[in-house]
Amino acid sequence: EIVMTQSPATLSVSPGERATLSCRASQSVSTNLAWYQHKPGRAPKLLVYGASTRATGIPARFSGSGSGTEFTLTISSLQSEDFAVYSCQQYNDWRTFGQGTKVEIK
Amino acid sequence: EVRLVESGGGLVQSGRSLRLSCTTSGFTFGDYAMSWFRQAPGKGLEWVGFVRSRAYGDVTEYAASVRGRFTISRDDSKSIVYLQMNSLKTEDTAVYYCTRDRPGSGRREGYYFDNCGQGTLVTVSS
Repeated sequence: EIVMTQSPATLSVSPGERATLSCRASQSVSTNLAWYQHKPGRAPKLLVYGASTRATGIPARFSGSGSGTEFTLTISSLQSEDFAVYSCQQYNDWRTFGQGTKVEIK
Repeated sequence: EVRLVESGGGLVQSGRSLRLSCTTSGFTFGDYAMSWFRQAPGKGLEWVGFVRSRAYGDVTEYAASVRGRFTISRDDSKSIVYLQMNSLKTEDTAVYYCTRDRPGSGRREGYYFDNCGQGTLVTVSS
């Protein structure tokens, strides 16, 4: 099983600042990597797939990059609605999720 | 607009059964694999199982934690996917979500989801 490791576990950021989230795979997943946003009481939302393609309706401030084993989700200027938990998921070989990064207000 | 609406959740005693439904609209249901996920209180998202599309024989796969107790089926004529849960345990307590799956491009089978319902709460009491 491919293990996905996210860092940091918690990221404290002020509104308007940039947030950079990392995701590492235990073996290459090519670009078969998705990012999701999780908010309490809300359905999980797909943000990025194919490592760098924004899903429909996702604002341009969200961007994904990377390939192989190292991936990054960048939120260029945090808005109030962006404080949430973010998880990465590989789908190169079945599907496994990272443990999530909580983005909280600094 | 793609819509997925789960229903059928509720309070049930340990050992009993429950059937969840996920009613969909806004896309050609039969063309997509569909999954069920769950999220227990304070925990992360857990994949429960899925059913492949008609083109792949509606074949199902399950997580080890539910294999033999849960069954997923689909009715393409109604655009509904079901989750039959038998022999429920207290640890099955969670919000259950259905998702529309998209395949990856690797040599091995893999999926992510691009749409997810709002979820239905299942509480299993002892």
